[in-house]
Amino acid sequence: KNEVEQSPQNLTAQEGEFITINCSYSVGISALHWLQQHPGGGIVSLFMLSSGKKKHGRLIATINIQEKHSSLHITASHPRDSAVYICAVSRRGGGGGADGLTFGKGTHLIIQP
Amino acid sequence: SAVISQKPSRDICQRGTSLTIQCQVDSQVTMMFWYRQQPGQSLTLIATANQGSEATYESGFVIDKFPISRPNLTFSTLTVSNMSPEDSSIYLCSVAGPGGGGYNEQFFGPGTRLTVL
Repeated sequence: KNEVEQSPQNLTAQEGEFITINCSYSVGISALHWLQQHPGGGIVSLFMLSSGKKKHGRLIATINIQEKHSSLHITASHPRDSAVYICAVSRRGGGGGADGLTFGKGTHLIIQP
Repeated sequence: SAVISQKPSRDICQRGTSLTIQCQVDSQVTMMFWYRQQPGQSLTLIATANQGSEATYESGFVIDKFPISRPNLTFSTLTVSNMSPEDSSIYLCSVAGPGGGGYNEQFFGPGTRLTVL
């Protein structure tokens, strides 16, 4: 079983729909990251969470530490949101300093006009 | 945030040869990481590049195959040695922002797309 599981793996939606991507993890973490990867391969950090909820524009990320679960929401989705969205975790107990990330397999999102 | 560049952006190499990938950051950073993304797969951490000491490798990755240098706080190289077609991947470097502990946003380079024939 992967330490970081995402669902769905693929998602196609119409422009304007509300999108939810889920992430569950099975290890102790110090932070959870949501990343966006475009077809060219570049990766952009969207959010880093250790508790609660964060919002940036049309994107909202939440985390429930007790349930080891996070969600990424996109409101009023647009074709330019089409990308791979990746959940990743920084493991707890790395002995100080930043930890390398453990990644989920990603969610391929396509927003159709 | 940090701006990261990688060279080369892509390369096609012959089996048995080696390729060195460079990662340059526009500011001094403590933590640098190298990742691999095989076709259709998620990213996997290869190693943490430590300035002034040997890199720390993840399970399944060894120094002989993936030697790493980190001569200063803005630069690192990853060499893929004695390549085989299974090494065809995107290789990315990333850096962690300031703050200490595991609570660091990470910034990624554009990646190096390697094809081994």
